[in-house]
Amino acid sequence: DTGVSQDPRHKITKRGQNVTFRCDPISEHNRLYWYRQTLGQGPEFLTYFQNEAQLEKSRLLSNRFSAERPKGSFSTLEIQRTEQGDSAMYLCASSLQGDAWEKLFFGSGTQLSVL
Amino acid sequence: TQLLEQSPQFLSIQEGENLTVYCNSSSVFSSLQWYRQEPGEGPVLLVTVVTGGEVKKLKRLTFQFGDARKDSSLHITAAQPGDTGLYLCAGALDDMRFGAGTRLTVKP
Repeated sequence: DTGVSQDPRHKITKRGQNVTFRCDPISEHNRLYWYRQTLGQGPEFLTYFQNEAQLEKSRLLSNRFSAERPKGSFSTLEIQRTEQGDSAMYLCASSLQGDAWEKLFFGSGTQLSVL
Repeated sequence: TQLLEQSPQFLSIQEGENLTVYCNSSSVFSSLQWYRQEPGEGPVLLVTVVTGGEVKKLKRLTFQFGDARKDSSLHITAAQPGDTGLYLCAGALDDMRFGAGTRLTVKP
């Protein structure tokens, strides 16, 4: 297994454009998380899925953000009408719910820059 | 306010020194985790502590979980430049929440 992979690694876009990121989790993992991280801060929870069901969504997440995990495998995170404040590292993590203590495995992230 | 408060925010020391960083909360957690993150990469899990008062050792790193399961500490003995990174604690409630981290720099 190659671990959690995220695509693209870097994205530069103009304000007002839509962007979509992809995350491929570890194959047997049933939980998938999205986090956002800005410089000097820890990862900030955005949303998570158990299989294909989106179980929780942060109150901080505006309606411009949407995430899907249609078949319980890969996930996409879309940001519509991007704003400069959306510039951040977007991290995906997966885990196996049912382990005694949940362990998150992170991808390398997608660095978004909104100009 | 952060659910998990980490201190100090920044720490810069010389190679060979010892250090301790802290993770505190008003919430009780069933487990706490410590991760290390390097620039441009995702966090990597170091350890999970689950029992109040538990102490776990990972080579030169010693992790302690508070008796009340609200706080944790990470002690590094004889720090090396390779220990440089962002140290994050995380606790599980309905989902996994992270502190803001301690950014450690170890100078040769």
